[in-house]
Amino acid sequence: DAGVIQSPRHEVTEMGQEVTLRCKPISGHDYLFWYRQTMMRGLELLIYFNNNVPIDDSGMPEDRFSAKMPNASFSTLKIQPSEPRDSAVYFCASSPTTRRADYEQYFGPGTRLTVT
Amino acid sequence: QKEVEQNSGPLSVPEGAIASLNCTYSDRGSQSFFWYRQYSGKSPELIMFIYSNGDKEDGRFTAQLNKASQYVSLLIRDSQPSDSATYLCAVKATGRRALTFGSGTRLQVQP
Repeated sequence: DAGVIQSPRHEVTEMGQEVTLRCKPISGHDYLFWYRQTMMRGLELLIYFNNNVPIDDSGMPEDRFSAKMPNASFSTLKIQPSEPRDSAVYFCASSPTTRRADYEQYFGPGTRLTVT
Repeated sequence: QKEVEQNSGPLSVPEGAIASLNCTYSDRGSQSFFWYRQYSGKSPELIMFIYSNGDKEDGRFTAQLNKASQYVSLLIRDSQPSDSATYLCAVKATGRRALTFGSGTRLQVQP
């Protein structure tokens, strides 16, 4: 199993540009999560999907951020327009459907975004 | 008040000692508790979970949960330099799928 795949691994862009981050979850996982990690705020949940449907987007900072999951194997997080304060590491994670309390979220390698 | 609080550290211990990492949470409806380890520049990886009061042991790691006091801790016995990392406490509320993470405690194990 290849694990959660994210691309690009690094992104440097100028303020005002559109940024698209991509994620491929582990095959068979029904849940997909987008997180953002910064030194100041730690690891924050942005949005998560279940069976391609957004369930909770309360963590999305503002309208500049949008996320889609057109199918079970692909999700995007888009920032338009980007701002320097969006600089962070963005993680995608997936988990299987289980009624157990000990389910694990598997994290991708992250995308380090720098907005200048 | 943050939902999940951790001392940012660094917590420095000598090799072979016991490292004790603590976490408190505010939501009494929290159901499950997780410890993730994150090496610098890497993604978080799960090392332990616990959902019943008491202790749970897995190798050199012991997770402790006290729901009445709303704290969860992680003990690492016989600490090794390879244990040097940031340890993230995460909490799952009942009926909610997502995790809420603390800001992490940086552990340094001195050889």
